Amino acid sequence: NAGVTQTPKFQVLKTGQSMTLQCAQDMNHEYMSWYRQDPGMGLRLIHYSVGAGITDQGEVPNGYNVSRSTTEDFPLRLLSAAPSQTSVYFCASSYSMAGNQPQHFGDGTRLSIL
Amino acid sequence: RKEVEQDPGPFNVPEGATVAFNCTYSNSASQSFFWYRQDCRKEPKLLMSVYSSGNEDGRFTAQLNRASQYISLLIRDSKLSDSATYLCVVTRLNTNAGKSTFGDGTTLTVKP
Repeated sequence: NAGVTQTPKFQVLKTGQSMTLQCAQDMNHEYMSWYRQDPGMGLRLIHYSVGAGITDQGEVPNGYNVSRSTTEDFPLRLLSAAPSQTSVYFCASSYSMAGNQPQHFGDGTRLSIL
Repeated sequence: RKEVEQDPGPFNVPEGATVAFNCTYSNSASQSFFWYRQDCRKEPKLLMSVYSSGNEDGRFTAQLNRASQYISLLIRDSKLSDSATYLCVVTRLNTNAGKSTFGDGTTLTVKP
């Protein structure tokens, strides 16, 4: 029972590099989202999707792109990495897009930008 | 002012103690409420949903006060394994989907 799978688990980048964080879920959930968590803080919403082909911005979208070509996959792209993007990134999915169902989280990707 | 505020703690309690956390939210349109548990920067995991009438799950009791815009979590008979960070989550419907806002978390350490 895989749930939400994120890859990679750890990554170190140099400033200016680009990369894609992968997220896949096998629960047929329509709602998927990306969060970042900085030390001592809660999770902040980057982007979310309510279904294939539909994405929207969250609280902190600058510097990130997303796409949703299938129900299962929701990759997060860093266009030009900056040290301020050093964080732990969590992908989550939920059965309901209305927000009244809990979210299931992946293990996280720990990203360092030098 | 943050949309969701929690006392960061830390709360240090002995085993067997009862401890309570509060979480306040500023948007009266908020509709769904949850408590998540997070261990050592691992992924958050759902502890319990919070219902209007209050709800209990074993040693854990959650309450919602819409008039005062806060939710609470009560842990009875604390165990060492309860040591974690507890995240309050508030969701409101926004255009096409619910948007969840997380509090910064309350850290609990249960000591022998």
